[in-house]
Amino acid sequence: KAGVTQTPRYLIKTRGQQVTLSCSPISGHRSVSWYQQTPGQGLQFLFEYFSETQRNKGNFPGRFSGRQFSNSRSEMNVSTLELGDSALYLCASSLGTQGCCGNQPQHFGDGTRLSIL
Amino acid sequence: ELKVEQNPLFLSMQEGKNYTIYCNYSTTSDRLYWYRQDPGKSLESLFVLLSNGAVKQEGRLMASLDTKARLSTLHITAAVHDLSATYFCAVDNESARMRFGAGTRLTVKP
Repeated sequence: KAGVTQTPRYLIKTRGQQVTLSCSPISGHRSVSWYQQTPGQGLQFLFEYFSETQRNKGNFPGRFSGRQFSNSRSEMNVSTLELGDSALYLCASSLGTQGCCGNQPQHFGDGTRLSIL
Repeated sequence: ELKVEQNPLFLSMQEGKNYTIYCNYSTTSDRLYWYRQDPGKSLESLFVLLSNGAVKQEGRLMASLDTKARLSTLHITAAVHDLSATYFCAVDNESARMRFGAGTRLTVKP
């Protein structure tokens, strides 16, 4: 069974640009969550989607947005990139029937490493 | 605001020794998760703990949850080099989705 797939794996952008990251969850998983991981702030929750609806959002500015499609694939978008957005962005899916996560573990993808120059 | 504190943040162990990683959290939650992250890799789920007194074991790792004390522990028995990794706990409740601790970087030396 294929795991969570994130594309691209690496991305280099400059300040002011925008970026879209993609996440394909494990087949059958309808809950997708996004996290930002940095050495300084650690792992921080961005948002959670379930059945195409955003169920929860972390404490990030409006430049960070996301969506989920009917096939449960998800994208996150960051506009007007800043140096501080350099991070590893992780996507995770779970089998929760009402979203993340309850008694279901999250399965993480390998992440997209975003570097802002 | 939900805060999750792990300690120690760094742990260097000899093979064969036992040790415990602690995860304290500040507000009520019945859902606690432990993850492992190898350098340059993603997170791997280890344990899901859902109720007070829950105890789960996998190999040399055992996790427990005390919701009254707002404390979870990850106990390592007879450590081996393969357990070297960073371990994260994460707490989830209705108001603060999946709040992670800072992680404990474990190094097991021969």
